Amino acid sequence: EAAVTQSPRNKVTVTGGNVTLSCRQTNSHNYMYWYRQDTGHGLRLIHYSYGAGNLQIGDVPDGYKATRTTQEDFFLLLELASPSQTSLYFCASSDEWGNTGQLYFGEGSKLTVL
Amino acid sequence: GDQVEQSPSALSLHEGTGSALRCNFTTTMRAVQWFRKNSRGSLINLFYLASGTKENGRLKSAFDSKERYSTLHIRDAQLEDSGTYFCAAINTNTGKLTFGDGTVLTVKP
Repeated sequence: EAAVTQSPRNKVTVTGGNVTLSCRQTNSHNYMYWYRQDTGHGLRLIHYSYGAGNLQIGDVPDGYKATRTTQEDFFLLLELASPSQTSLYFCASSDEWGNTGQLYFGEGSKLTVL
Repeated sequence: GDQVEQSPSALSLHEGTGSALRCNFTTTMRAVQWFRKNSRGSLINLFYLASGTKENGRLKSAFDSKERYSTLHIRDAQLEDSGTYFCAAINTNTGKLTFGDGTVLTVKP
């Protein structure tokens, strides 16, 4: 079974705070993704990467940075957190973009920005 | 952009009954994936289909790329089936994955 681990699972910060969400996958997958999920909406893609050192912009990238340091590790960075970024964040990995496309998700990180 | 229209947005079932969720697509999709978000917030993979149907226990899913839809059937619903169900479809040409807005399923005793 594919394994994607996120941390922290819960985080509370204040407006203007600095937050880093971490994701590690042990599937040897090339692609990693960061999504946010808000009540009443599907998951929306923030950033993704197809390998170490690579970063691609997703559909809702404003206010977020990301960095893929290794094949296994993908970080989401909020340098000046705002209340609108209060959300449930999911990391995912897949072996290929669109070819098989099957995503494996982490357990989610709930972020609250006060 | 790609649209994935998921329905219903909310569904209430009594234990032992069943129903179907549906996703309609505005363009041709090469595959669809179904997930459940449980009470802990975790996303559980249910099905991945590139065509046809798949069945797993009390769940069955179908995907018709030509007719641009997918369904998820739940039978003999149990309390633990409660959660939010999402479909996500992969655009045939771009490979982009687009999610539906989810169906909140509540199973009552």
